[in-house]
Amino acid sequence: DIQMTQSPSALSASVGDSITITCRASQRINTWLAWYRQSAGKAPKLLISKASDLESGIPSRFSGSASGNDFTLTINNLQPDDFATYYCQQYENYPHTFGQGTKLEIK
Amino acid sequence: EVQLVDSGGGLVQPGGSLTVSCVASGFPFRSHAMGWVRQAPGKGLEWVSGVSSGDVKDYAESVKGRFAISRDNSANTLSLEMNNLRPEDSAIYYCARKKGSLIGAFDLWGQGALVTVSS
Repeated sequence: DIQMTQSPSALSASVGDSITITCRASQRINTWLAWYRQSAGKAPKLLISKASDLESGIPSRFSGSASGNDFTLTINNLQPDDFATYYCQQYENYPHTFGQGTKLEIK
Repeated sequence: EVQLVDSGGGLVQPGGSLTVSCVASGFPFRSHAMGWVRQAPGKGLEWVSGVSSGDVKDYAESVKGRFAISRDNSANTLSLEMNNLRPEDSAIYYCARKKGSLIGAFDLWGQGALVTVSS
């Protein structure tokens, strides 16, 4: 199975800040990587697919990039709704493994 | 409205069986691959099973041989039959739609169905 190592596991920031979350795949996944946001008590929401393709309706404050087996999610100008948990997921191979999650909290 | 509505959760004893389902609406269900993702209380997301538009199925190792995914394109319904349930199967089970017919991220999610395995 492909392992997805996501870091950090938790992060504190303030409204208006910029943050970066990273995910490292244990083997090549090309750009078959997605980023999701999950607010408390809600289902996950797709933000980015194919490592850097922003989903319709997602603000341009969100961006994704890839370098080899390393992937990053950057969020600029943090807004109150952004304080949630973020997950990466590879869908190159089954099982479609998720990262462990990053909980973004208000400082 | 484009949506997935999950149902069928509940309390079941260890060794028991349960089926969770989701009804799709507002999009061509038969054209999309689908899947199930679960989340144990306070834990992260775990992919459980998937089925392509062509009915090719895959399972996580932890559920292989116990769970069975199926789709009914005439009823726009995805199901997950769960047998020989264990306490560690307790989780919210989310139905999710893939962007494509075979490969893709999950771009639409149900609200989740809570499954509790306990005596």
